[in-house]
Amino acid sequence: EDKVVQSPLSLVVHEGDTVTLNCSYEVTNFRSLLWYKQEKKAPTFLFMLTSSGIEKKSGRLSSILDKKELFSILNITATQTGDSAVYLCALYSGAGSYQLTFGKGTKLSVIP
Amino acid sequence: NAGVTQTPKFQVLKTGQSMTLQCAQDMNHNSMYWYRQDPGMGLRLIYYSASEGTTDKGEVPNGYNVSRLNKREFSLRLESAAPSQTSVYFCASSWTGGYNEQFFGPGTRLTVL
Repeated sequence: EDKVVQSPLSLVVHEGDTVTLNCSYEVTNFRSLLWYKQEKKAPTFLFMLTSSGIEKKSGRLSSILDKKELFSILNITATQTGDSAVYLCALYSGAGSYQLTFGKGTKLSVIP
Repeated sequence: NAGVTQTPKFQVLKTGQSMTLQCAQDMNHNSMYWYRQDPGMGLRLIYYSASEGTTDKGEVPNGYNVSRLNKREFSLRLESAAPSQTSVYFCASSWTGGYNEQFFGPGTRLTVL
């Protein structure tokens, strides 16, 4: 059974801090790893990491994938209150897979 | 483009009642999905449709049925609602599987009394 474990479950930081969110996994036939941000409504896509693209960056957010050690991290620098959300890690695995397996998420709270 | 739309936004049912959740996408995606999200459990896949005319079970299909009406629309039906089906339901779509991001609708908050 595929497993995705995120840590920490929750985190409180001050504006301007840098945070690192962790995602470790055990899956068969890894395809890709995705990060989503969920505020009060639907998850919105942040990054996809695959075997051919193990590092992504967009503004203050960046993510890396370590396929050897089976984990990914999401970094957010110079945090803002608008970064407060639940961050979800998810994986596609298996041949021809359409199923995303999600972790339980990390709740990030950024206080002024 | 509206993206992925869902109706209704909120619903309260009594145990044993039935209802259908509607989902539509206007991105010409081939694949569509239904998830439920419960506190402490994360998002779990109920059913998916890899392409028009096909549907498959996900992780938690019991108590649900689906219909891929056409390429745009994918509905989820609860035949006899139970309190354990109280949850937030999300529909999503993607170009295909494996290496494609899924786009999520705004969700339906369902309460079964």
